[in-house]
Amino acid sequence: GENVEQHPSTLSVQEGDSAVIKCTYSDSASNYFPWYKQELGKRPQLIIDIRSNVGEKKDQRIAVTLNKTAKHFSLHITETQPEDSAVYFCAAKRNNNDMRFGAGTRLTVKP
Amino acid sequence: EAQVTQNPRYLITVTGKKLTVTCSQNMNHEYMSWYRQDPGLGLRQIYYSMNVEVTDKGDVPEGYKVSRKEKRNFPLILESPSPNQTSLYFCASSLTSASYGYTFGSGTRLTVV
Repeated sequence: GENVEQHPSTLSVQEGDSAVIKCTYSDSASNYFPWYKQELGKRPQLIIDIRSNVGEKKDQRIAVTLNKTAKHFSLHITETQPEDSAVYFCAAKRNNNDMRFGAGTRLTVKP
Repeated sequence: EAQVTQNPRYLITVTGKKLTVTCSQNMNHEYMSWYRQDPGLGLRQIYYSMNVEVTDKGDVPEGYKVSRKEKRNFPLILESPSPNQTSLYFCASSLTSASYGYTFGSGTRLTVV
């Protein structure tokens, strides 16, 4: 089955700096890669996703890149703000299969 | 409002006392799933359901049961809870198993003493 690994487990950045979180997956048939943000005490919320036919996707300060050959994808947050502090999860899914999540990255943005 | 509703939000119980965590969605979703979240382990799937009366084990099903008698409800049953089931539980749903968008419930923090 699919195995998703996520690094780093914790990340601390200064406000205004960039943050990068990386994930690798094992199933070459996976074709959907979402990123979820979970604030303290709340449910995971989808913030951006990418499908396997696209190499990069951007939404304001957030971008995701996908390298299908290497089977890895990354979340990039630019100009970080204190409200970006949260736990971020990557995930991978293929058609009719379940979502597999990474272990999560706790991002802290220091003012 | 389209949502996934879990109850209760918090629960403290004793070892061996049967409990049920309810999950209900109002989006006519076929696919529903239960996850547990533990520090450093991310979200691990317990059970999932492709449709009414169709359920299957996820990665960590031991000690849990589910049922899917109606489309909107997918309760999680702990017949004899143990302390290692202390965790944060999330229910999620999507239109079909092939769909990509998951909607999560608010979570249930369970403590078994």
